[in-house]
Amino acid sequence: KAGVTQTPRYLIKTRGQQVTLSCSPISGHRSVSWYQQTPGQGLQFLFEYFSETQRNKGNFPGRFSGRQFSNSRSEMNVSTLELGDSALYLCASSSASSTDTQYFGPGTRLTVL
Amino acid sequence: AQSVTQLDSQVPVFEEAPVELRCNYSSSVSVYLFWYVQYPNQGLQLLLKYLSGSTLVESINGFEAEFNKSQTSFHLRKPSVHISDTAEYFCAVSDGLRGGSQGNLIFGKGTKLSVKP
Repeated sequence: KAGVTQTPRYLIKTRGQQVTLSCSPISGHRSVSWYQQTPGQGLQFLFEYFSETQRNKGNFPGRFSGRQFSNSRSEMNVSTLELGDSALYLCASSSASSTDTQYFGPGTRLTVL
Repeated sequence: AQSVTQLDSQVPVFEEAPVELRCNYSSSVSVYLFWYVQYPNQGLQLLLKYLSGSTLVESINGFEAEFNKSQTSFHLRKPSVHISDTAEYFCAVSDGLRGGSQGNLIFGKGTKLSVKP
């Protein structure tokens, strides 16, 4: 089975712009979660989608949003980028239940100038 | 609220020496516990997990962790490390009872293991 894929792998934007990141889960997985990783704050949960519905949400401002499509692929969007949004954004997929392992993608490295 | 504390940000060790990476968590409900490993410029890989049952869990590459409910700990150990174990290790907890979702993993700040020859 192919693993979790994320595109693009690297992205450079300027303050005020918006960005969309994409995540394709492992085939058959219906849950997709997003995390932000920074040196200062570590790994922080952004949100989780399951069957096209947001199931859980972390403590991030409304500039961070996401969605999931019927094929379970997910996108996250960050509007009005700030310097502090520079981070590695990781996507993870799992099948359904609470005991299923989360499998992580390689991440998208976003740099905001 | 749940939280995870990894007591050591960096652990240098010589090859073939034993190592312990410490992890403590706080939670008022039953939890699931995980250790993930991250190699440079890569995503996270699951090393091992505790969901229920035996409190000692093992990975295929020689790591083990023991769930200690009274001490709220889930320390990671390996009796003999290799150069290839050099990576950053993250302890994580999820509240598996809340909404049946594992999606909101709470991570510790990570421990960088550096294995020297």
